[in-house]
Amino acid sequence: AQKITQTQPGMFVQEKEAVTLDCTYDTSDPSYGLFWYKQPSSGEMIFLIYQGSYDQQNATEGRYSLNFQKARKSANLVISASQLGDSAMYFCAMREGRPDSNYQLIWGAGTKLIIKP
Amino acid sequence: KAGVTQTPRYLIKTRGQQVTLSCSPISGHRSVSWYQQTPGQGLQFLFEYFSETQRNKGNFPGRFSGRQFSNSRSEMNVSTLELGDSALYLCASTDRQGANTQYFGPGTRLTVL
Repeated sequence: AQKITQTQPGMFVQEKEAVTLDCTYDTSDPSYGLFWYKQPSSGEMIFLIYQGSYDQQNATEGRYSLNFQKARKSANLVISASQLGDSAMYFCAMREGRPDSNYQLIWGAGTKLIIKP
Repeated sequence: KAGVTQTPRYLIKTRGQQVTLSCSPISGHRSVSWYQQTPGQGLQFLFEYFSETQRNKGNFPGRFSGRQFSNSRSEMNVSTLELGDSALYLCASTDRQGANTQYFGPGTRLTVL
């Protein structure tokens, strides 16, 4: 079974609109972390936001927020006021176990986001 | 702080050859992880090193190996290259604080002909 599922292979969004990228995960470990990364066409993987399984509040980083619904095993990325520079591949990734116990990230297939002017 | 650096950025090799890729982590980061990214398989974990010791290894054949030096720089080696080894190889370093977020380098794009 897929541990990280991103159901949207591609999305087109009008500039300045908000966009939600879906991510569902599967783990039986009570301690885990969820990450979102952005990969422009240049290839570098850029860290955006992190949510720990025990975090009580949804994570936010500037225009990025994470809609964490633990019971539904969902960790959607929300980008507010999208910009042309947001066009890229977006990956959801999970680390199972405590932060200091495991450095292996499990990745989703990614969503290609294109912002239209 | 300077980011993660990877050299070379691009490589073209032929089947049967071997290749060595290099990664220098962010200053102060002692953990280095390697990932392979291909259109068919997506992102897959290769291995992780901390203090010159391999602590975790993904499901790759023994042709894929790595090492870490005392200054935390890491190399990965692929011997007897196959066409399927063509990929973007990403290196990440970890700050081992809080979330232990992995910060990635620009990658090395390997093409095997």
